[in-house]
Amino acid sequence: EAGVAQSPRYKIIEKRQSVAFWCNPISGHATLYWYQQILGQGPKLLIQFQNNGVVDDSQLPKDRFSAERLKGVDSTLKIQPAKLEDSAVYLCASSYGYTSGANVLTFGAGSRLTVL
Amino acid sequence: GQQLNQSPQSMFIQEGEDVSMNCTSSSIFNTWLWYKQDPGEGPVLLIALYKAGELTSNGRLTAQFGITRKDSFLNISASIPSDVGIYFCAGSNTGKLIFGQGTTLQVKP
Repeated sequence: EAGVAQSPRYKIIEKRQSVAFWCNPISGHATLYWYQQILGQGPKLLIQFQNNGVVDDSQLPKDRFSAERLKGVDSTLKIQPAKLEDSAVYLCASSYGYTSGANVLTFGAGSRLTVL
Repeated sequence: GQQLNQSPQSMFIQEGEDVSMNCTSSSIFNTWLWYKQDPGEGPVLLIALYKAGELTSNGRLTAQFGITRKDSFLNISASIPSDVGIYFCAGSNTGKLIFGQGTTLQVKP
Protein backbone atom coordinates (compact mmCIF):
# COMPACT_ATOMS: atom_id res chain seq x y z
CA GLU A 1 0.00 0.00 0.00
CA ALA A 2 1.14 3.53 -0.62
CA GLY A 3 2.48 5.35 2.43
CA VAL A 4 1.64 8.74 3.91
CA ALA A 5 2.59 11.45 1.42
CA GLN A 6 3.78 14.87 2.56
CA SER A 7 4.91 18.00 0.74
CA PRO A 8 7.01 20.00 0.57
CA ARG A 9 9.92 18.07 2.08
CA TYR A 10 11.83 21.25 2.86
CA LYS A 11 10.83 24.88 3.30
CA ILE A 12 12.87 27.93 4.32
CA ILE A 13 11.02 31.14 5.17
CA GLU A 14 11.64 34.33 7.08
CA LYS A 15 9.89 35.03 10.36
CA ARG A 16 6.43 36.54 10.03
CA GLN A 17 5.92 34.82 6.67
CA SER A 18 3.35 32.08 6.18
CA VAL A 19 3.76 28.45 5.14
CA ALA A 20 1.48 25.52 4.39
CA PHE A 21 2.12 21.80 4.50
CA TRP A 22 0.06 19.13 2.79
CA CYS A 23 -0.57 15.52 3.77
CA ASN A 24 -2.29 12.63 2.03
CA PRO A 25 -2.85 9.70 4.42
CA ILE A 26 -2.99 5.99 3.67
CA SER A 27 -6.21 5.11 1.84
CA GLY A 28 -8.90 4.02 4.27
CA HIS A 29 -7.29 5.56 7.34
CA ALA A 30 -9.91 7.57 9.17
CA THR A 31 -7.59 9.19 11.70
CA LEU A 32 -4.98 11.76 10.72
CA TYR A 33 -2.41 13.42 12.97
CA TRP A 34 -0.02 16.33 12.70
CA TYR A 35 3.05 16.18 14.93
CA GLN A 36 5.80 18.74 15.47
CA GLN A 37 9.31 17.37 16.04
CA ILE A 38 11.92 19.84 17.22
CA LEU A 39 15.53 18.77 16.73
CA GLY A 40 16.62 16.36 19.46
CA GLN A 41 13.11 15.76 20.79
CA GLY A 42 10.31 13.27 20.30
CA PRO A 43 7.29 14.17 18.17
CA LYS A 44 4.63 16.29 19.87
CA LEU A 45 0.99 16.06 18.79
CA LEU A 46 -0.46 19.26 17.34
CA ILE A 47 -3.84 18.07 16.10
CA GLN A 48 -5.75 14.84 15.55
CA PHE A 49 -8.63 14.40 13.09
CA GLN A 50 -11.19 11.60 12.94
CA ASN A 51 -12.53 11.78 9.38
CA ASN A 52 -13.06 15.54 8.96
CA GLY A 53 -13.69 16.32 12.63
CA VAL A 54 -11.12 17.46 15.20
CA VAL A 55 -10.57 14.99 18.07
CA ASP A 56 -7.75 16.81 19.87
CA ASP A 57 -6.16 20.19 19.17
CA SER A 58 -5.26 21.05 22.73
CA GLN A 59 -1.57 21.60 21.89
CA LEU A 60 -2.09 23.54 18.66
CA PRO A 61 -1.01 27.21 19.01
CA LYS A 62 -4.25 28.49 17.54
CA ASP A 63 -3.10 32.09 17.28
CA ARG A 64 -0.77 31.12 14.45
CA PHE A 65 -1.41 27.48 13.49
CA SER A 66 -4.45 26.14 11.66
CA ALA A 67 -5.28 22.80 10.11
CA GLU A 68 -8.11 21.41 8.08
CA ARG A 69 -9.22 18.11 6.62
CA LEU A 70 -12.21 19.20 4.62
CA LYS A 71 -13.25 15.99 2.88
CA GLY A 72 -11.90 13.59 5.46
CA VAL A 73 -8.95 12.58 3.31
CA ASP A 74 -5.99 14.91 2.78
CA SER A 75 -5.09 17.68 5.18
CA THR A 76 -3.30 21.03 5.26
CA LEU A 77 -1.40 22.56 8.17
CA LYS A 78 -0.74 26.29 8.00
CA ILE A 79 1.46 28.58 10.06
CA GLN A 80 0.88 32.32 9.88
CA PRO A 81 2.90 34.25 10.94
CA ALA A 82 5.88 31.98 11.52
CA LYS A 83 8.25 32.46 14.46
CA LEU A 84 11.82 31.32 14.84
CA GLU A 85 10.75 28.63 17.34
CA ASP A 86 8.52 27.04 14.69
CA SER A 87 11.64 25.61 13.03
CA ALA A 88 11.00 21.87 13.19
CA VAL A 89 9.96 18.83 11.20
CA TYR A 90 6.20 18.57 10.75
CA LEU A 91 5.16 14.94 10.61
CA CYS A 92 1.84 13.72 9.33
CA ALA A 93 0.61 10.30 10.40
CA SER A 94 -2.52 8.24 9.87
CA SER A 95 -4.21 5.21 11.41
CA TYR A 96 -7.39 3.16 10.95
CA GLY A 97 -8.87 4.58 14.12
CA TYR A 98 -7.85 5.76 17.54
CA THR A 99 -9.08 3.03 19.86
CA SER A 100 -6.66 0.47 21.22
CA GLY A 101 -5.45 -1.82 18.45
CA ALA A 102 -6.47 0.60 15.72
CA ASN A 103 -4.18 3.42 16.71
CA VAL A 104 -0.95 2.16 15.18
CA LEU A 105 0.33 5.24 13.42
CA THR A 106 2.09 5.24 10.07
CA PHE A 107 4.18 8.36 9.55
CA GLY A 108 5.13 10.30 6.47
CA ALA A 109 8.72 11.42 5.85
CA GLY A 110 7.97 14.88 7.24
CA SER A 111 8.29 18.48 6.11
CA ARG A 112 11.34 20.27 7.47
CA LEU A 113 10.72 23.96 8.17
CA THR A 114 13.49 26.46 8.78
CA VAL A 115 12.46 29.94 9.93
CA LEU A 116 15.16 32.61 9.57
CA GLY B 1 0.80 16.65 31.17
CA GLN B 2 1.84 13.09 30.56
CA GLN B 3 5.54 12.57 30.02
CA LEU B 4 7.64 9.60 29.06
CA ASN B 5 11.22 9.26 30.23
CA GLN B 6 13.46 7.23 27.99
CA SER B 7 16.87 5.94 28.96
CA PRO B 8 19.59 5.93 28.08
CA GLN B 9 19.62 9.11 26.00
CA SER B 10 22.32 7.67 23.75
CA MET B 11 24.34 4.50 23.33
CA PHE B 12 27.50 3.72 21.42
CA ILE B 13 28.09 -0.01 21.11
CA GLN B 14 30.14 -2.54 19.20
CA GLU B 15 28.54 -4.55 16.40
CA GLY B 16 27.26 -7.86 17.76
CA GLU B 17 26.46 -6.56 21.23
CA ASP B 18 22.99 -6.66 22.73
CA VAL B 19 21.17 -3.41 23.50
CA SER B 20 18.55 -2.61 26.10
CA MET B 21 16.56 0.61 26.49
CA ASN B 22 13.52 1.48 28.53
CA CYS B 23 10.73 3.94 28.96
CA THR B 24 8.89 4.95 32.12
CA SER B 25 5.83 7.07 32.75
CA SER B 26 4.04 8.56 35.71
CA SER B 27 0.76 7.63 34.01
CA ILE B 28 -0.77 4.31 33.00
CA PHE B 29 -1.05 3.47 29.31
CA ASN B 30 -3.07 0.72 27.62
CA THR B 31 -0.84 0.67 24.52
CA TRP B 32 2.92 0.89 24.18
CA LEU B 33 4.61 1.28 20.82
CA TRP B 34 8.26 1.34 19.80
CA TYR B 35 9.36 3.29 16.73
CA LYS B 36 12.70 3.78 14.96
CA GLN B 37 13.58 6.96 13.09
CA ASP B 38 16.34 7.23 10.51
CA PRO B 39 17.76 10.64 9.55
CA GLY B 40 15.42 12.58 7.27
CA GLU B 41 12.61 10.07 7.63
CA GLY B 42 9.51 9.67 9.75
CA PRO B 43 9.35 7.14 12.60
CA VAL B 44 8.70 3.54 11.56
CA LEU B 45 6.81 1.14 13.82
CA LEU B 46 8.87 -1.71 15.27
CA ILE B 47 6.63 -3.35 17.86
CA ALA B 48 3.15 -2.72 19.31
CA LEU B 49 2.10 -3.95 22.79
CA TYR B 50 -1.48 -4.06 24.05
CA LYS B 51 -1.53 -6.10 27.28
CA ALA B 52 0.28 -5.67 30.59
CA GLY B 53 3.03 -8.26 30.82
CA GLU B 54 3.00 -8.90 27.08
CA LEU B 55 6.35 -9.88 25.58
CA THR B 56 6.59 -9.54 21.79
CA SER B 57 9.42 -10.21 19.36
CA ASN B 58 10.11 -8.95 15.86
CA GLY B 59 13.26 -10.61 14.55
CA ARG B 60 16.14 -9.51 16.76
CA LEU B 61 13.91 -7.08 18.63
CA THR B 62 11.99 -7.94 21.79
CA ALA B 63 9.76 -5.57 23.73
CA GLN B 64 7.73 -5.93 26.91
CA PHE B 65 4.72 -4.10 28.30
CA GLY B 66 5.37 -3.57 32.03
CA ILE B 67 3.04 -5.14 34.58
CA THR B 68 2.34 -1.76 36.17
CA ARG B 69 1.40 -0.35 32.73
CA LYS B 70 3.82 2.49 33.43
CA ASP B 71 6.87 1.16 31.67
CA SER B 72 8.19 -0.75 28.69
CA PHE B 73 11.56 -1.94 27.47
CA LEU B 74 13.09 -2.78 24.11
CA ASN B 75 15.96 -5.19 23.57
CA ILE B 76 17.98 -5.60 20.39
CA SER B 77 20.11 -8.70 20.15
CA ALA B 78 23.31 -9.04 18.13
CA SER B 79 23.30 -5.45 16.85
CA ILE B 80 24.29 -4.68 13.26
CA PRO B 81 25.30 -1.38 11.62
CA SER B 82 21.80 -0.79 10.18
CA ASP B 83 20.38 -0.67 13.73
CA VAL B 84 21.78 2.86 13.92
CA GLY B 85 19.07 5.44 14.49
CA ILE B 86 16.83 6.99 17.10
CA TYR B 87 14.43 4.73 18.97
CA PHE B 88 11.26 6.21 20.43
CA CYS B 89 8.79 4.71 22.84
CA ALA B 90 5.21 5.95 22.70
CA GLY B 91 2.27 5.40 25.02
CA SER B 92 -1.40 5.77 24.27
CA ASN B 93 -4.77 5.56 25.99
CA THR B 94 -7.26 7.24 23.70
CA GLY B 95 -5.38 7.30 20.42
CA LYS B 96 -3.23 10.28 21.31
CA LEU B 97 0.34 9.01 21.21
CA ILE B 98 2.78 10.49 23.73
CA PHE B 99 6.41 10.07 22.67
CA GLY B 100 9.56 9.79 24.74
CA GLN B 101 12.56 11.92 23.89
CA GLY B 102 14.35 9.08 22.11
CA THR B 103 17.44 6.90 22.51
CA THR B 104 20.14 7.47 19.91
CA LEU B 105 21.94 4.26 19.00
CA GLN B 106 25.29 4.18 17.27
CA VAL B 107 26.91 0.88 16.26
CA LYS B 108 30.62 0.56 15.63
CA PRO B 109 31.44 -2.07 12.99
